[in-house]
Amino acid sequence: GAGVSQSPSNKVTEKGKDVELRCDPISGHTALYWYRQSLGQGLEFLIYFQGNSAPDKSGLPSDRFSAERTGGSVSTLTIQRTQQEDSAVYLCASSFSGTGGIGYTFGSGTRLTVV
Amino acid sequence: KNEVEQSPQNLTAQEGEFITINCSYSVGISALHWLQQHPGGGIVSLFMLSSGKKKHGRLIATINIQEKHSSLHITASHPRDSAVYICAVRPGNKLVFGAGTILRVKS
Repeated sequence: GAGVSQSPSNKVTEKGKDVELRCDPISGHTALYWYRQSLGQGLEFLIYFQGNSAPDKSGLPSDRFSAERTGGSVSTLTIQRTQQEDSAVYLCASSFSGTGGIGYTFGSGTRLTVV
Repeated sequence: KNEVEQSPQNLTAQEGEFITINCSYSVGISALHWLQQHPGGGIVSLFMLSSGKKKHGRLIATINIQEKHSSLHITASHPRDSAVYICAVRPGNKLVFGAGTILRVKS
């Protein structure tokens, strides 16, 4: 597609429920990143996928968070047993390579609210 | 101490003014990025730098690798430049972000 597409754009969920956030990167971009921006906070790295390599999961805040990338394209970020502190905007970005290529393209984000 | 420090945190300018936002970092990096985030959350990548200087329209970004410092300049600022400007460095696979500079340009 023309840009990085994320869905849903907004998600309100009850505490304790599981949620899935989707990212469809730019076609041909081998690198995909998930970041999180909590209210009033800066951006925080979550996970990085590069081609067929094992993902860098070093930013995932707990074992309730997981992500996968199928076929080197679409990625899903799953949060199990959501907590109120999970409320944030979850941003996906992609680039041509792990070096950032000519730069990153960010999606519009999914605003997650846990009530 | 954060790995990436930006200054100022907030900046208000009059239309037409020359604006400078600074970024200092404390880790070895392969590249530095300047990002722009408008209200509503959309993030746009402005520059990726590994050395020297880049210019795009009214925006200029410079980096001094030895001093671990970068600056973003906006010439002839305009109200539409109002946004959060974020410096991010890449020490490895991931970006490490500064806290951002909130810029407001008044007409």
